[in-house]
Amino acid sequence: KAGVTQTPRYLIKTRGQQVTLSCSPISGHRSVSWYQQTPGQGLQFLFEYFSETQRNKGNFPGRFSGRQFSNSRSEMNVSTLELGDSALYLCASSLVLFSEQYFGPGTRLTVT
Amino acid sequence: AQKITQTQPGMFVQEKEAVTLDCTYDTSDPSYGLFWYKQPSSGEMIFLIYQGSYDQQNATEGRYSLNFQKARKSANLVISASQLGDSAMYFCAMREAFEAGTYKYIFGTGTRLKVLA
Repeated sequence: KAGVTQTPRYLIKTRGQQVTLSCSPISGHRSVSWYQQTPGQGLQFLFEYFSETQRNKGNFPGRFSGRQFSNSRSEMNVSTLELGDSALYLCASSLVLFSEQYFGPGTRLTVT
Repeated sequence: AQKITQTQPGMFVQEKEAVTLDCTYDTSDPSYGLFWYKQPSSGEMIFLIYQGSYDQQNATEGRYSLNFQKARKSANLVISASQLGDSAMYFCAMREAFEAGTYKYIFGTGTRLKVLA
């Protein structure tokens, strides 16, 4: 069974631009979560989707948004990029809510 | 207050020896879950083991076991017979109820383990 895939793997953007990251969960998994990982803040929860509905959201500004499609694939969008948005963005899928999460390889975003 | 505390930023262990990575947690949710993940230098997070708050027995997965001491709010990861491939960052995480039926995952700051040949 294929694991969680994330595209693109690496991305360089300029401050003020917007970016969309994509995540395809493990087949059959219906829950997708997004995390931001930085050396300073560690792993921080962004949001979680289940059955196309956002179920939970972390403490991030409204510039960070996401959505989930009917096939459980998810996208995360960051608008008006700031230098501090440079991070590894990890996507995780789980079979259902409350079950263990399986992570993708991440997208490394660099904002210049 | 930190919800998940990993007090060992870095550890060394000799190959084939056992090692314990510490994790303490803080929650008022009676139904919580505890997880351990491994993150190699490649960056991908790998799920290792899960312990539910109501589980009576300590979780085990191959060479990994979770030493769950509920009263002490401790969930230490034990790796037996360390291998060179175990060198990585290890994260302890907790799932707890948040609000209105939702929940959240909280990660510790991690412990970097280096296995020596």
